[in-house]
Amino acid sequence: DAKTTQPNSMESNEEEPVHLPCNHSTISGTDYIHWYRQLPSQGPEYVIHGLTSNVNNRMASLAIAEDRKSSTLILHRATLRDAAVYYCILKTGANNLFFGTGTRLTVIP
Amino acid sequence: DSGVTQTPKHLITATGQRVTLRCSPRSGDLSVYWYQQSLDQGLQFLIQYYNGEERAKGNILERFSAQQFPDLHSELNLSSLELGDSALYFCASSVDPQRGSSYEQYFGPGTRLTVT
Repeated sequence: DAKTTQPNSMESNEEEPVHLPCNHSTISGTDYIHWYRQLPSQGPEYVIHGLTSNVNNRMASLAIAEDRKSSTLILHRATLRDAAVYYCILKTGANNLFFGTGTRLTVIP
Repeated sequence: DSGVTQTPKHLITATGQRVTLRCSPRSGDLSVYWYQQSLDQGLQFLIQYYNGEERAKGNILERFSAQQFPDLHSELNLSSLELGDSALYFCASSVDPQRGSSYEQYFGPGTRLTVT
């Protein structure tokens, strides 16, 4: 399975934007880039996904590099509720998710 | 609320025993996935079912098995339990995961298994 690399942890001040990076240099042409997050004591939660173009939804934006070897999850205004572990995952034809260690986001009030 | 339900929430049992975890997918979702989350291994994919048929296997031990029933609910059976099986077990569901397509998965709240 293609691998992703994320920083172990990041901090952000409340109400400021957060850019969570992910490197995936071995991505193949058919891999989708998915982001999930896991809040404390909860199951993972889908955030956003994309293939080639940047994507926006109500939760976040996903910026994908032109060569697709990296991507950035953007939270436009971090809230305390956004404190979670964020996982960047490459999905192949099979729909299974292979989670790495993710980035633990701390939001400072 | 993801729409995926899991029972029980907590389970405490002894080594050597057998337990069954239950999952009901979101209405309309045909595919069910099982994941294990432990402190040392992180979140690991175990097995996937689609409309009653096994679709994919991950790091699932031979002591573990699963099935999906005609009403689409799924059960994960764990037998000959060991201390190392203590973990959170998550179920997720998605719509028809056609190969080449990509669908988000919706996770349940998990079952916390403690083996003593």
